[in-house]
Amino acid sequence: AQKVTQAQTEISVVEKEDVTLDCVYETRDTTYYLFWYKQPPSGELVFLIRRNSFDEQNEISGRYSWNFQKSTSSFNFTITASQVVDSAVYFCALSDSQDGSEKLVFGKGTKLTVNP
Amino acid sequence: DAGITQSPRHKVTETGTPVTLRCHQTENHRYMYWYRQDPGHGLRLIHYSYGVKDTDKGEVSDGYSVSRSKTEDFLLTLESATSSQTSVYFCAISGRGSAWETQYFGPGTRLLVL
Repeated sequence: AQKVTQAQTEISVVEKEDVTLDCVYETRDTTYYLFWYKQPPSGELVFLIRRNSFDEQNEISGRYSWNFQKSTSSFNFTITASQVVDSAVYFCALSDSQDGSEKLVFGKGTKLTVNP
Repeated sequence: DAGITQSPRHKVTETGTPVTLRCHQTENHRYMYWYRQDPGHGLRLIHYSYGVKDTDKGEVSDGYSVSRSKTEDFLLTLESATSSQTSVYFCAISGRGSAWETQYFGPGTRLLVL
């Protein structure tokens, strides 16, 4: 079955530190998609990135970067020079097309606290 | 931002009463989803729809039903609410074409069942 593991339940850093959020997935699909979402304290879910299984290039967007490695089934997320506004719960998600379904499977999330 | 609204945004109800949550979209997306979010569990799929009148169960569908009579509306019904259904409920939409386009989420509904 599809599965997403975010082993880090909570992380606390001091502002300006770099921090990496881990995401490990399991899938039998040969084509699949991976996502990251951010949920700030206000509660909304904000889309960050979508990556398909054929694209293993790392992605950088400002202070955010993502490292996709099929060999280790990982899709890790790094925030460089963290800021207080980065404090949020971050979710990794995987597409699930088993049994003809069309849905996402989410990890349980990592709560990041950035202290000033 | 994707045009997704949820109503009500907050609701308090009593055990045994029926409750209906509404998700409305203005994006003409094909796929709509209902999730619940609970501490320690992340987001879990309740039901989803892949078209008008086409729905399927998710991971935690027991005690819930859904209906989609038109593209823009997806209703989640708790036939007889229980305290275990106290949660935050999120609606999501995706896919004008493919289900694997990005899912965009509504603002959520906080439901308290006493």
